Amino acid sequence: DTGVSQDPRHKITKRGQNVTFRCDPISEHNRLYWYRQTLGQGPEFLTYFQNEAQLEKSRLLSNRFSAERPKGSFSTLEIQRTEQGDSAMYLCASSRDRAYGYTFGSGTRLTVV
Amino acid sequence: GEDVEQSLFLSVREGDSSVINCTYTDSSSTYLYWYKQEPGAGLQLLTYIFSNMDMKQDQRLTVLLNKKDKHLSLRIADTQTGDSAIYFCAESNNAGNMLTFGGGTRLMVKP
Repeated sequence: DTGVSQDPRHKITKRGQNVTFRCDPISEHNRLYWYRQTLGQGPEFLTYFQNEAQLEKSRLLSNRFSAERPKGSFSTLEIQRTEQGDSAMYLCASSRDRAYGYTFGSGTRLTVV
Repeated sequence: GEDVEQSLFLSVREGDSSVINCTYTDSSSTYLYWYKQEPGAGLQLLTYIFSNMDMKQDQRLTVLLNKKDKHLSLRIADTQTGDSAIYFCAESNNAGNMLTFGGGTRLMVKP
């Protein structure tokens, strides 16, 4: 069990560019979540997968944000036409059962310049 | 809707007990969690409590839940400098597919 892995750790991009982040959950966890954390705030829920099905996506911040989990294993989060306000830490988490809590990755820090 | 609130800052001396408080609004929350975040790192699950429990103890950590007042607290006994971090409480929605976090309490432990 190597925990939840996120790649890259840091991403600097110019405004208007597209970015994609990857998350590899703990292998036996069927639930996967994306959160966004801005400076000085708690994490904010974005979307949730159970296996390959995206069961909750109403909290995605705009239609520029999309997420996939094609084979029910790793997931990607894409932001199109990035804006400076997208600068934040993007956290991925996975779980087997909510009773055990979620295991978070170390996050991808996005800076839009 | 869901809302979770915490005080921003707590300072204690090494060896003292720390108590971090949290209030939440969703009465249907079934699980409540405490997470720890160190600078530049992700969130580490410290402990959780099921809503039909009043108290849970795990080594130096004690969680108290007052469901009537929707108040949750985390007590850290014998606080160490390594406990300095930001502590987040979070509630799970009824479906268990989303956590709502508070804004975090920064704990500073002075030697």
